[in-house]
Amino acid sequence: AQSVTQLGSHVSVSEGALVLLRCNYSSSVPPYLFWYVQYPNQGLQLLLKYTTGATLVKGINGFEAEFKKSETSFHLTKPSAHMSDAAEYFCAVSDLSSGNTPLVFGKGTRLSVIA
Amino acid sequence: EAQVTQNPRYLITVTGKKLTVTCSQNMNHEYMSWYRQDPGLGLRQIYYSMNVEVTDKGDVPEGYKVSRKEKRNFPLILESPSPNQTSLYFCASSLSGGRAGYTFGSGTRLTVV
Repeated sequence: AQSVTQLGSHVSVSEGALVLLRCNYSSSVPPYLFWYVQYPNQGLQLLLKYTTGATLVKGINGFEAEFKKSETSFHLTKPSAHMSDAAEYFCAVSDLSSGNTPLVFGKGTRLSVIA
Repeated sequence: EAQVTQNPRYLITVTGKKLTVTCSQNMNHEYMSWYRQDPGLGLRQIYYSMNVEVTDKGDVPEGYKVSRKEKRNFPLILESPSPNQTSLYFCASSLSGGRAGYTFGSGTRLTVV
């Protein structure tokens, strides 16, 4: 079964600084990978996803992620943090080994942006 | 607007009193799923449905029931809620399961006292 590890339950960056949120996965088959964002008191919103093809994936709000098969990683980056980026971020992998194909989530990383 | 609608948003109830959280989607999605979110544990799947009248257990199904009588609706039923079911619940739907990603509802915060 797939699993996801997000390094760091809380990341704090200054406004304008680089955002790097780490995600590693384990999978016995080629994975489908996702990043979701959750703003306070809201549901999860899809930021970006990797299915096949180009390994650098661009998403909404200036975020991007790179699929690195050799490192089993799918880290999320943004060149310049904005105050509005403060939220919780979840990395997820689709479990293609069963008919269910649920999303298996990491435990989340809370991003704080300091003015 | 394409969306997943959950009701209620907030609910406080007492131990043992049956409750239902409704979920409806307007995107004609076949896949629907319920997750619960707990601090430090991320989101865990409770039940899922791949089509009408087809439901199955996820990772944490104990204490929950679901039904899928219509494509658009997927209610979550707690027959006898207990305090350990206090959590934030999300309903989600997808056109083709996990590989397409899911669209999530806004969540239901349930407190069982």
